[in-house]
Amino acid sequence: AQSVSQHNHHVILSEAASLELGCNYSYGGTVNLFWYVQYPGQHLQLLLKYFSGDPLVKGIKGFEAEFIKSKFSFNLRKPSVQWSDTAEYFCAVNAGTGRRALTFGSGTRLQVQP
Amino acid sequence: DAGVIQSPRHEVTEMGQEVTLRCKPISGHNSLFWYRQTMMRGLELLIYFNNNVPIDDSGMPEDRFSAKMPNASFSTLKIQPSEPRDSAVYFCASSFLQGPETQYFGPGTRLLVL
Repeated sequence: AQSVSQHNHHVILSEAASLELGCNYSYGGTVNLFWYVQYPGQHLQLLLKYFSGDPLVKGIKGFEAEFIKSKFSFNLRKPSVQWSDTAEYFCAVNAGTGRRALTFGSGTRLQVQP
Repeated sequence: DAGVIQSPRHEVTEMGQEVTLRCKPISGHNSLFWYRQTMMRGLELLIYFNNNVPIDDSGMPEDRFSAKMPNASFSTLKIQPSEPRDSAVYFCASSFLQGPETQYFGPGTRLLVL
């Protein structure tokens, strides 16, 4: 069964700091990869996704992620965070074929201090 | 363009009562997913439908849970009887299955069973 690990459970940064959130998955086949963000009290919103092609994908709000197949990783990055980025971030994986459920990581709570 | 619509947004009920959660997927989408989010287990898939047909209900915790999709624009998740351990946020998501797919989430229903 596929699994997703997000090692950073709680990250506290100051505004303008750079961000990198780790995501590793365990599945040997073709995968589709996603990052979702959940602002306080709100629903999950798609930040970015990777299906194929260029392993560096850009999403909304200045976020980007890099798929490194050899490391089974899909880390999320942002060069300069803002207070409004305070939220919980979820990495999710879907096997390229077969079961279509998204497997989510446990989430990383990001707190940006002004 | 309306996203996924869920109702109610909040539900407080007493143990033993029946609870019905509702979801309207994005128009034109042909797949619908029910997820549950808890502190202990994170986000996990309960069941999903494709073209109104339940495909995978392996995540449904027990017989107290049932889900239906009578048509392409409506689905329900029912818990009968409800128990305190059912307290969670229940998310509905929809997608259009054509190659790699992206799931779009609704605002969720926050359920509290006393």
